[in-house]
Amino acid sequence: GAVVSQHPSRVICKSGTSVKIECRSLDFQATTMFWYRQFPKQSLMLMATSNEGSKATYEQGVEKDKFLINHASLTLSTLTVTSAHPEDSSFYICSARGYGQGIQETQYFGPGTRLLVL
Amino acid sequence: RKEVEQDPGPFNVPEGATVAFNCTYSNSASQSFFWYRQDCRKEPKLLMSVYSSGNEDGRFTAQLNRASQYISLLIRDSKLSDSATYLCVVLPNTGNQFYFGTGTSLTVIP
Repeated sequence: GAVVSQHPSRVICKSGTSVKIECRSLDFQATTMFWYRQFPKQSLMLMATSNEGSKATYEQGVEKDKFLINHASLTLSTLTVTSAHPEDSSFYICSARGYGQGIQETQYFGPGTRLLVL
Repeated sequence: RKEVEQDPGPFNVPEGATVAFNCTYSNSASQSFFWYRQDCRKEPKLLMSVYSSGNEDGRFTAQLNRASQYISLLIRDSKLSDSATYLCVVLPNTGNQFYFGTGTSLTVIP
């Protein structure tokens, strides 16, 4: 139990395009999902907390108009990187908070999406 | 002060060694504690929860000291496959946010 999928696993795009990443909790419902970014050899950096049916809460320094988050259902959150630039190239990881439903209350991570902007 | 602090290492130990990581947290009201493992270029995966009474899972032992606000992870008989970054995670008793340490890098050497 407590599996989180993320799609796509890897994406290469041209500068200026938008990229959408999907995060799904496959066997549990998640009222809260988190989006992280990680650069090589660095720690996870929380970008935003996404609550189902409400606006995401962004961390300081993260542009909400640049990184659009939608959490329309209890099993799906999406992150759209708008007008991507090379400096947005990174490893984006989502996680879902599990609660009840026979699983431990903690975060379960998706496998991540590697974004390369040319 | 950071919510969660860990020694980043790196820890380089020979196979078969015992290695311990510590992590301190600043919020005394924190309620839940975890160790995650992250392999290179992969997502973090839950290794084990940490309970006040201490808990063991095979070669791994986790302990919590609420009075001193630290969490430990002990790995016995290290294997090459234990090489990874170990993340300490704390969940306060209010709010949604989990606090992650920066991770401790472990390399087990043949």
